[in-house]
Amino acid sequence: EAGVTQFPSHSVIEKGQTVTLRCDPISGHDNLYWYRRVMGKEIKFLLHFVKESKQDESGMPNNRFLAERTGGTYSTLKVQPAELEDSGVYFCASSQDWLNEQFFGPGTRLTVL
Amino acid sequence: GNSVTQMEGPVTLSEEAFLTINCTYTATGYPSLFWYVQYPGEGLQLLLKATKADDKGSNKGFEATYRKETTSFHLEKGSVQVSDSAVYFCALSSYSGGYNKLIFGAGTRLAVHP
Repeated sequence: EAGVTQFPSHSVIEKGQTVTLRCDPISGHDNLYWYRRVMGKEIKFLLHFVKESKQDESGMPNNRFLAERTGGTYSTLKVQPAELEDSGVYFCASSQDWLNEQFFGPGTRLTVL
Repeated sequence: GNSVTQMEGPVTLSEEAFLTINCTYTATGYPSLFWYVQYPGEGLQLLLKATKADDKGSNKGFEATYRKETTSFHLEKGSVQVSDSAVYFCALSSYSGGYNKLIFGAGTRLAVHP
């Protein structure tokens, strides 16, 4: 069974540009989470989907970030326009239900120059 | 609010040395506690967990005990190997309205030398 996959693995963009990160959860997992680790600090929660609905987006830093999960399958996280402080590693995780273990993808390393 | 504090790294050890990575937490209620590991080039993997006070989680020779009185969940291994070199994250689950999100510490990099 395939694990959580994320694309791209690395992205380098200029300040002001737009970047879209993609996450494919484990098949059948209704719960999908986004986290990020900035500057080698703690990994912080961004938001949580159940199927296509946003259940908790309390961690989204500002309105430059837009997450979607159309059809309840894969999810995208768009940053527009990107700022220097958005650099970091963005992790996606999925779980079968909220009580079960979250399985993480390898992350996307975003560098904003 | 809920938070996790873990010892700063890097931790550098020789093979077969004893490992302790300290983790303390602040939380309301009764969170579950976790250790995740990230090997080079890979995603986070759950290493072990404990869901209530005095529970001991264990896996691959690693152990951690949920100590409510000291709000701690220290990771230990009796004899580390080079293959244990990775970044280790302590985390707790924060249940909100029936849904779960993880709160992580900053991570501790472990380097084990032959």
